[in-house]
Amino acid sequence: KAGVTQTPRYLIKTRGQQVTLSCSPISGHRSVSWYQQTPGQGLQFLFEYFSETQRNKGNFPGRFSGRQFSNSRSEMNVSTLELGDSALYLCASSLGTWAGGTNNEQFFGPGTRLTVL
Amino acid sequence: QKEVEQDPGPLSVPEGAIVSLNCTYSNSAFQYFMWYRQYSRKGPELLMYTYSSGNKEDGRFTAQVDKSSKYISLFIRDSQPSDSATYLCAMSAKGRRALTFGSGTRLQVQP
Repeated sequence: KAGVTQTPRYLIKTRGQQVTLSCSPISGHRSVSWYQQTPGQGLQFLFEYFSETQRNKGNFPGRFSGRQFSNSRSEMNVSTLELGDSALYLCASSLGTWAGGTNNEQFFGPGTRLTVL
Repeated sequence: QKEVEQDPGPLSVPEGAIVSLNCTYSNSAFQYFMWYRQYSRKGPELLMYTYSSGNKEDGRFTAQVDKSSKYISLFIRDSQPSDSATYLCAMSAKGRRALTFGSGTRLQVQP
């Protein structure tokens, strides 16, 4: 079974630009979550999508947004890039159901490394 | 104070040693507990997943959760140089998939 795929793997942008990152979850998984990883703040939750609806949102400004398509693929967008947005952006997929207290296992992709100059 | 505290290390051990990694947390709502391994410039890889308190074993790895003490542990037996990586604990509340991570412990296993 193929894992989580993220594209592109590397991006270089300049301040003020916007960027769109893409994530394809594991086949059959319906929940996609996005995280930002930086050396200073570690891994922080951005938002989660399930059935094309945002279910949870972390403490990030409105410049960070996302969406999910009917095939469960997800994109996140960052507008008006700032230097501090340089990070590894990780996508995680999970089944999306809560039966029996399980199915919360989240599997991460390789990430997109964004550098803002 | 962070919700999840984890010693950043680095932790250096000889090959074959038993490694103990730990996290403490403050949010009593956390019910799902995970350990991830992350190699340099890679995405985190799920090692162990535990729901509520108790122990779970998988090969050389054992995860323990003590909710009364708000303390979780990961033990690695017969550690190998290939285990050298950063280990991240993560947890979430029931009904929520948003994970709160520790800062990660860097482990080095010396051959």
